Amino acid sequence: SQELEQSPQSLIVQEGKNLTINCTSSKTLYGLYWYKQKYGEGLIFLMMLQKGGEEKSHEKITAKLDEKKQQSSLHITASQPSHAGIYLCGARGTYKYIFGTGTRLKVLA
Amino acid sequence: GAVVSQHPSRVICKSGTSVKIECRSLDFQATTMFWYRQFPKQSLMLMATSNEGSKATYEQGVEKDKFLINHASLTLSTLTVTSAHPEDSSFYICSAGGQGADEQFFGPGTRLTVL
Repeated sequence: SQELEQSPQSLIVQEGKNLTINCTSSKTLYGLYWYKQKYGEGLIFLMMLQKGGEEKSHEKITAKLDEKKQQSSLHITASQPSHAGIYLCGARGTYKYIFGTGTRLKVLA
Repeated sequence: GAVVSQHPSRVICKSGTSVKIECRSLDFQATTMFWYRQFPKQSLMLMATSNEGSKATYEQGVEKDKFLINHASLTLSTLTVTSAHPEDSSFYICSAGGQGADEQFFGPGTRLTVL
């Protein structure tokens, strides 16, 4: 079965610093989604990538899907305390939706 | 945009009682709804896929007799945790989508605490 591995598992950065979160799939991705969550709350959709080499940006967050469509990265520029939370990648598996292992981000003011 | 609601947002119950959680798609019809469970500091784990008008499909290791799922209409799916125990305490999230496993829209979640 397909698995999504995220790295790092947790990350603490100083406000203003850039950071990158990676999501690696054991199989080819056909649609990769990035979400943000604060534990105990629902998921906030960030963006969706479908094509190899695709890159999307929203405010200070940029996500890329590599050409082979087995890895995606999420990059945050000039991080702020509001960026803190859990970042999850998600993908369509053969017949169901799967999630990555999650990355917990803390931004120090 | 597509909105999914869950009710209740929080519930505390005594061990041995049953709890029902509702998941509603407010502005679209969802042929498929998914139920997830999330433990602290962990990712979401799919419990079951709920299809309107048919039996739910449960993931391996999920007790179908304990977690009863009903998808009676295109806008409502319910998850009933029967004879709840403290180990059932968790955060339950539903999502709704169209056919298959295309983009899903997530509810805000329900925090269940079993005393």
